[in-house]
Amino acid sequence: DAKTTQPPSMDCAEGRAANLPCNHSTISGNEYVYWYRQIHSQGPQYIIHGLKNNETNEMASLIITEDRKSSTLILPHATLRDTAVYYCIVRVEVGGQNFVFGPGTRLSVLP
Amino acid sequence: EAQVTQNPRYLITVTGKKLTVTCSQNMNHEYMSWYRQDPGLGLRQIYYSMNVEVTDKGDVPEGYKVSRKEKRNFPLILESPSPNQTSLYFCASSSGGGTTEAFFGQGTRLTVV
Repeated sequence: DAKTTQPPSMDCAEGRAANLPCNHSTISGNEYVYWYRQIHSQGPQYIIHGLKNNETNEMASLIITEDRKSSTLILPHATLRDTAVYYCIVRVEVGGQNFVFGPGTRLSVLP
Repeated sequence: EAQVTQNPRYLITVTGKKLTVTCSQNMNHEYMSWYRQDPGLGLRQIYYSMNVEVTDKGDVPEGYKVSRKEKRNFPLILESPSPNQTSLYFCASSSGGGTTEAFFGQGTRLTVV
């Protein structure tokens, strides 16, 4: 699986959009981009995933660049409860369903 | 409600005393796996299972065993726990395929003294 690079930490004001970047310059054509988050020491929570098109769901939007070498997770109206570590993961279908979690980005939503 | 349930949530044990952490999912998922999370090292996969009676090693399998006798259950066994197995453990399940999300349990915090 390709490696990802994320900033170690970010701050965002409550009510504003949080834009979390991720670089995955060695991504392969059949690898998807996934985003998870972990609040405190709870189990990681799925947010969104995509292959090449931008995606949106009730939690967030995922913007993937045309060359697929980077992506941005957007939380449109961040709340204090969105404070968490956010993980960007790229993966293909492999036996074992291994998600390789890097250090992620620690997002702090400030009042 | 779709969920992955781990038990216990917290456990303190002594070196060498065998223990089992249970994991159960109610989504009829084929894939299940165990991760451990340590400060500075992130989440690392211990073992995984692609279906009943099919298990394989992940990245850090030493000192652990697993079994998959039923589709819903995937227990993690520490035959002789050591202090370096003190960690936060997560069980995960998914239905398979590269585009499916994984559901994680709430974690088991294990301390081996």
